[in-house]
Amino acid sequence: DADVTQTPRNRITKTGKRIMLECSQTKGHDRMYWYRQDPGLGLRLIYYSFDVKDINKGEISDGYSVSRQAQAKFSLSLESAIPNQTALYFCATSGSRDRINQPQHFGDGTRLSIL
Amino acid sequence: ILNVEQSPQSLHVQEGDSTNFTCSFPSSNFYALHWYRWETAKSPEALFVMTLNGDEKKKGRISATLNTKEGYSYLYIKGSQPEDSATYLCAPAPRSGNTPLVFGKGTRLSVIA
Repeated sequence: DADVTQTPRNRITKTGKRIMLECSQTKGHDRMYWYRQDPGLGLRLIYYSFDVKDINKGEISDGYSVSRQAQAKFSLSLESAIPNQTALYFCATSGSRDRINQPQHFGDGTRLSIL
Repeated sequence: ILNVEQSPQSLHVQEGDSTNFTCSFPSSNFYALHWYRWETAKSPEALFVMTLNGDEKKKGRISATLNTKEGYSYLYIKGSQPEDSATYLCAPAPRSGNTPLVFGKGTRLSVIA
């Protein structure tokens, strides 16, 4: 079983719909992250969390929200999806709070298409 | 936001050639440097994490060096193979408390058999 699991893996939806992407991990990591990847733009950070109920905005948080109600789960919501949110979304986790030199572990990604 | 530059953006090499690429970052705001390998249709995987000036890490034919005083890291691949084809990302961790990594846009390597 994957250590970092994202659901769904693929989603096609319409403009204006509310969408939730789920991420769960079995690594026992405190830190979790949501990124989006667009061609030519690399990985951009949307939100991150260093502990349960800790929420921090990343580089491109507008139009997104997150929830961290449990250590193992970090969900990303698009309240009203728009076409320019079409992208590949990755969840990642990393080691404990004070060890910023721990590598990140990525899920397999969610490909989201908004029509 | 930390300014991270990776060069070149893309690279094509013949099988068996050795190659290297660069990651540049502000030397005044540095805590650690991560390298990741990202194959097409997969997710990024960590290669190295380096923290000390002069650090050198190696994994098989891939190695990396770190110069924190001048703000750069090199990734080397010796005797490139087609399976080395991937995008290589670097990500410095800023020295500002609990701040997440900032990823560069990557160097896309294609190894031609």
